[in-house]
Amino acid sequence: DGGITQSPKYLFRKEGQNVTLSCEQNLNHDAMYWYRQDPGQGLRLIYYSQIVNDFQKGDIAEGYSVSREKKESFPLTVTSAQKNPTAFYLCASMGRGIMNTEAFFGQGTRLTVV
Amino acid sequence: SQQGEEDPQALSIQEGENATMNCSYKTSINNLQWYRQNSGRGLVHLILIRSNEREKHSGRLRVTLDTSKKSSSLLITASRAADTASYFCATDAERLTGGGNKLTFGTGTQLKVEL
Repeated sequence: DGGITQSPKYLFRKEGQNVTLSCEQNLNHDAMYWYRQDPGQGLRLIYYSQIVNDFQKGDIAEGYSVSREKKESFPLTVTSAQKNPTAFYLCASMGRGIMNTEAFFGQGTRLTVV
Repeated sequence: SQQGEEDPQALSIQEGENATMNCSYKTSINNLQWYRQNSGRGLVHLILIRSNEREKHSGRLRVTLDTSKKSSSLLITASRAADTASYFCATDAERLTGGGNKLTFGTGTQLKVEL
């Protein structure tokens, strides 16, 4: 089964902790993305990666970090510098080229600060 | 501000009725996509319409695109309770550093289909 998998589904973070959200895909896609979704809002781009060992900041990168050591994996770390981390986080992947613009999403990770 | 804005924000209809959602955007696009999100889940791609297309069908879905008005509509015919979800439009007006397209999502329309 080809797809994109996020884990965990639910994550609780204490104040001052860093937490890492996992995103794995077996679609052989070059591009991977992290979005944040707050209630009643659309998706905002945090970070993206077009190719292994390269990534770029999106619109709301402050307080987040990523790595792209393997094509299949694009983990997101929510650092203690992120002041309002409670949100629903979505990972997506996409093929390259103008004909490959459909994004495939994982099932999301709901992060809550306790 | 959002590139894509959906209208209405919420829509409640009876099963069997048609549901129409609209999306407006601000800048020129290569294509426009519609996605569906069930509560607490990821987004699922429904349909893509290119800037040189005016109408596209997929099963019970019909999408129109009017580039002169910078707007699109999604029509779901003969709706079912299982169609209850949030629907988002996404546009690709911006290019990302390093290549590739940035998908910009609107705030979505919450559709509720009642039995």
